[in-house]
Amino acid sequence: AQTVTQSQPEMSVQEAETVTLSCTYDTSENNYYLFWYKQPPSRQMILVIRQEAYKQQNATENRFSVNFQKAAKSFSLKISDSQLGDTAMYFCAFMKSSSDRGSTLGRLYFGRGTQLTVWP
Amino acid sequence: DAGVIQSPRHEVTEMGQEVTLRCKPISGHNSLFWYRQTMMRGLELLIYFNNNVPIDDSGMPEDRFSAKMPNASFSTLKIQPSEPRDSAVYFCASSFTPNGQRYGYTFGSGTRLTVV
Repeated sequence: AQTVTQSQPEMSVQEAETVTLSCTYDTSENNYYLFWYKQPPSRQMILVIRQEAYKQQNATENRFSVNFQKAAKSFSLKISDSQLGDTAMYFCAFMKSSSDRGSTLGRLYFGRGTQLTVWP
Repeated sequence: DAGVIQSPRHEVTEMGQEVTLRCKPISGHNSLFWYRQTMMRGLELLIYFNNNVPIDDSGMPEDRFSAKMPNASFSTLKIQPSEPRDSAVYFCASSFTPNGQRYGYTFGSGTRLTVV
């Protein structure tokens, strides 16, 4: 079974500063995908960034970047120049990449989330 | 593209009543997922359809829960009879498999269910 662990239930950062959210996962798979989703107070789940495990280069999306350490099974999210609108719950998620047509194909496994508050 | 559409956005019902949640996935997506979110348990996968066929329903809590996908553009999640512990936010999400593996899901806005 795949498990995703987010060890920081809450974090806060001042506007314009940088913050890093941690995520670790446990899997025996070699090929997989990792995601960070954002859930603001509106409760809409929004995809922030994704990483393919076979790519060594860390993914970046504007102010959002990841530090993917495959051997350590670590996938942290860095938010630069934090903005008030970044206040949200952030979820780390894992998905297998397999040609196996078994029941777990396409299933996303989520961590428990980190509540990030950006203050002025 | 209107995204994944869920209805209703909020539902308040009395214990013992039947509740039906609805979802319209993104056109062209062939995988559909129902998740439940609570403070205690986080995000739990309830059931997963691929090409309208239920693939994994191991997350469905008990026989009171049932889900259907009669066609590619519509799915329902039904709870009968409802209980207070069913109170949660229920999300529907869709993707195009296998590309969904690369690009994740698109989620609906969720239905907040309150059973009193």
